[in-house]
Amino acid sequence: EVQLLESGGDLVQPGGSLRLSCAASGFTFRNYAMSWVRQTPGKGLEWVSAITGSGDKKYYADSVKGRFTISRDNSKSTVYLQMNTLRAEDTAVYYCAKDWDTAAGGIDYWGQGTLLTVSS
Amino acid sequence: QAVLTQPASLSASPGASASLTCTLRSGINVVSSRIFWYQQKPGSPPQHLMAYKSDSDMQRGSGVPSRFSGSKDASANAGILLISGLQSEDEADYYCMVWYSNSWVFGGGTTLSVL
Repeated sequence: EVQLLESGGDLVQPGGSLRLSCAASGFTFRNYAMSWVRQTPGKGLEWVSAITGSGDKKYYADSVKGRFTISRDNSKSTVYLQMNTLRAEDTAVYYCAKDWDTAAGGIDYWGQGTLLTVSS
Repeated sequence: QAVLTQPASLSASPGASASLTCTLRSGINVVSSRIFWYQQKPGSPPQHLMAYKSDSDMQRGSGVPSRFSGSKDASANAGILLISGLQSEDEADYYCMVWYSNSWVFGGGTTLSVL
């Protein structure tokens, strides 16, 4: 059974930093890209970032480029999202998601999410 | 113009069928696109329903019943999620997603009411 467990969500002041973690199990982690997707309460889904299985390629939404960094540790089956220079508009539930293993793949499993609140 | 456009809401009766559309921006060809569909109920993360490129290239998510299916309307440049035999449990938000310009892009979502 695929399980994705996010952690690290918190209340942070504008301009602050935070790192989210996502521990994965139930699949061969190194074979799959991983994504982070966020959702503002009551609103739609916004993809944030993705990283390939080997970690050699990283992709970011324009809204977070230059502020957020995705990384992974395949020995720990964990993906991270380092978030710097946080803004109020980054407030959201952040979901970790299992992503593609081939060019035909996509997001097929989601974690329960962790809440980031950016406020003074 | 948004990459993916979904109607904000749709209502249908129990037992009926519902067609949820996801219109791709002009210049993005639906025929060559693989469209992913997700269902989200209040307080829960999204659940993967399917990935659809063609009738011969469709994968439903784990445990997704066959009354959920996909199609495309090339003339409208749109992907379609078809739900037949609507049940009250199908009330949810539905999102489409495509890979475009090195990013995953989501539609704004459709809230389906079954009443």
